[in-house]
Amino acid sequence: DADVTQTPRNRITKTGKRIMLECSQTKGHDRMYWYRQDPGLGLRLIYYSFDVKDINKGEISDGYSVSRQAQAKFSLSLESAIPNQTALYFCATSDGDSPLYGYTFGSGTRLTVV
Amino acid sequence: AQSVTQPDIHITVSEGASLELRCNYSYGATPYLFWYVQSPGQGLQLLLKYFSGDTLVQGIKGFEAEFKRSQSSFNLRKPSVHWSDAAEYFCAVGGHNQGGKLIFGQGTELSVKP
Repeated sequence: DADVTQTPRNRITKTGKRIMLECSQTKGHDRMYWYRQDPGLGLRLIYYSFDVKDINKGEISDGYSVSRQAQAKFSLSLESAIPNQTALYFCATSDGDSPLYGYTFGSGTRLTVV
Repeated sequence: AQSVTQPDIHITVSEGASLELRCNYSYGATPYLFWYVQSPGQGLQLLLKYFSGDTLVQGIKGFEAEFKRSQSSFNLRKPSVHWSDAAEYFCAVGGHNQGGKLIFGQGTELSVKP
């Protein structure tokens, strides 16, 4: 099994629908992150969580919400999806405070909003 | 402001030729620098990282990168490219006491000609 698992891998949804992207990890890491990837823009941070009770907005949190249900699970929700939220979404984890440890990434969820 | 710039959106090299991917950063504190690779349909994999010491760092798959503080650069190199190196490459920067957050560049897509 992968260290960081994202579900679903692909999703097509309609404008206005609520959708949840899920991420689970077996690394035992405290820190979890949601990024979106758009062509030419790289990866941009949506939300991050240092532990179950510590959730923080990233640079592009508008239109998104998150839930850290357990140390191992971090879900991203789009309450009312819009077409410009079409993107590739990545969950990542890290261990500890320092970026020395780097990230472990999931395989991504490709979301299309029509 | 903290940022990472990868000036080349797309590079094509011939198999066996040398490769250099450019990365420039703007960061107020001592930077920790990373290169990640994303193969099609996959998540991001860490190639190498720099945080102190020798400014030439070795990574996986025969890649290396050189940190040049005076030029705010962290360019990725490989002496001889293989067809399997075709992928997208991301440079990222982080810092101590930044909560483990990384800032990513826009990415450089590498194509390899036979």
